[in-house]
Amino acid sequence: QKEVEQDPGPLSVPEGAIVSLNCTYSNSAFQYFMWYRQYSRKGPELLMYTYSSGNKEDGRFTAQVDKSSKYISLFIRDSQPSDSATYLCAMLSAYNFNKFYFGSGTKLNVKP
Amino acid sequence: DVKVTQSSRYLVKRTGEKVFLECVQDMDHENMFWYRQDPGLGLRLIYFSYDVKMKEKGDIPEGYSVSREKKERFSLILESASTNQTSMYLCASSPGGAGGTNTEAFFGQGTRLTVV
Repeated sequence: QKEVEQDPGPLSVPEGAIVSLNCTYSNSAFQYFMWYRQYSRKGPELLMYTYSSGNKEDGRFTAQVDKSSKYISLFIRDSQPSDSATYLCAMLSAYNFNKFYFGSGTKLNVKP
Repeated sequence: DVKVTQSSRYLVKRTGEKVFLECVQDMDHENMFWYRQDPGLGLRLIYFSYDVKMKEKGDIPEGYSVSREKKERFSLILESASTNQTSMYLCASSPGGAGGTNTEAFFGQGTRLTVV
């Protein structure tokens, strides 16, 4: 079993929809939770990170962590065609802050 | 801005060749990583390095080696390229350290390697 699981999609939504992207994990030592966005033929770039449980909002994006369920989410409000990309979750363990654990990525397509 | 630069965007090599992929970062980061990315498999860690001359195996080190002689440079070596090593290779760096100082990995643009 992989330590971080993510539905690969693809997920196709109309412009303006609310998008929900999710990851589950098995390692209770994970403390830092990140979302990366990767456009086609580019390297991933950090979108947001959160520490431990709770919510964090940045513009149209909200990251949510539920440590009790080992479940993290990224919500995108008023989705735009420019949001079309692959979204990867990533995590850091409290026992090794130097190694990132990535999900396999969810491909999102926002149709105009 | 942090910049991670990979030496090639596209490479085509023959089976059995020794292949060098170079990566340079300009932010004095402690950590550097090599990943490969394949459809449906996501990012898989090949090797990483916490410091100069230090290296640790990731999840799929077989068929690869690495070199970090200087802090800013991390090289991935395919000793004898095979067709199953055709992939997108991504280099990354991160600041290092404990807790909240190491919450971002910065990626290069990737090298698409085709082994024929």
